[in-house]
Amino acid sequence: AQSVTQLDSQVPVFEEAPVELRCNYSSSVSVYLFWYVQYPNQGLQLLLKYLSGSTLVKGINGFEAEFNKSQTSFHLRKPSVHISDTAEYFCAVSLITQGGKLIFGQGTELSVKP
Amino acid sequence: EPEVTQTPSHQVTQMGQEVILRCVPISNHLYFYWYRQILGQKVEFLVSFYNNEISEKSEIFDDQFSVERPDGSNFTLKIRSTKLEDSAMYFCASTWPRGGLDQPQHFGDGTRLSIL
Repeated sequence: AQSVTQLDSQVPVFEEAPVELRCNYSSSVSVYLFWYVQYPNQGLQLLLKYLSGSTLVKGINGFEAEFNKSQTSFHLRKPSVHISDTAEYFCAVSLITQGGKLIFGQGTELSVKP
Repeated sequence: EPEVTQTPSHQVTQMGQEVILRCVPISNHLYFYWYRQILGQKVEFLVSFYNNEISEKSEIFDDQFSVERPDGSNFTLKIRSTKLEDSAMYFCASTWPRGGLDQPQHFGDGTRLSIL
């Protein structure tokens, strides 16, 4: 079975500081990896995805993530956060060979303070 | 940009009543999904739907749940006899698998279901 663990439930940071949101996954088969963001009272919006190729992927709003196969990690980073980045962030995996269902981590609440 | 739309945004229902949650996926998408998020918990997969049939369902998706694509645009989730523990945010998603299942899912804004 597959699982996703987001190691931090809450991450408070000051505006313009760098941030890293951690994600580890467990799977015996190949997976696709995703980060989604959920702003208050909204649905899930795709930030970025890793399918294959370069392990460093860039997404929207200045976010990037690095796939590390040996550590089964897919950490999300941003060099300088804004107040508007305050949201819940979800890491997710889907199996390459199945019908694409997403398995989500518990979510990390990013709170950016002035 | 095309969106997945869900109605209603908030549904309040008495325990034991039937409820239907509605979704309009993006028009050229072929795979459809329902997820739920109980308050304070992770987003959980319920069911996937392709070619007018369920392709996969989770343990949560028991006989009380059903899905339907009654016409070419709507995708519905029905809970036949609601329980208190069905209270959650329900998300619909859709995707278009261009040659593979590597396309991201597009989510609606969700329906908050409150069971009294």
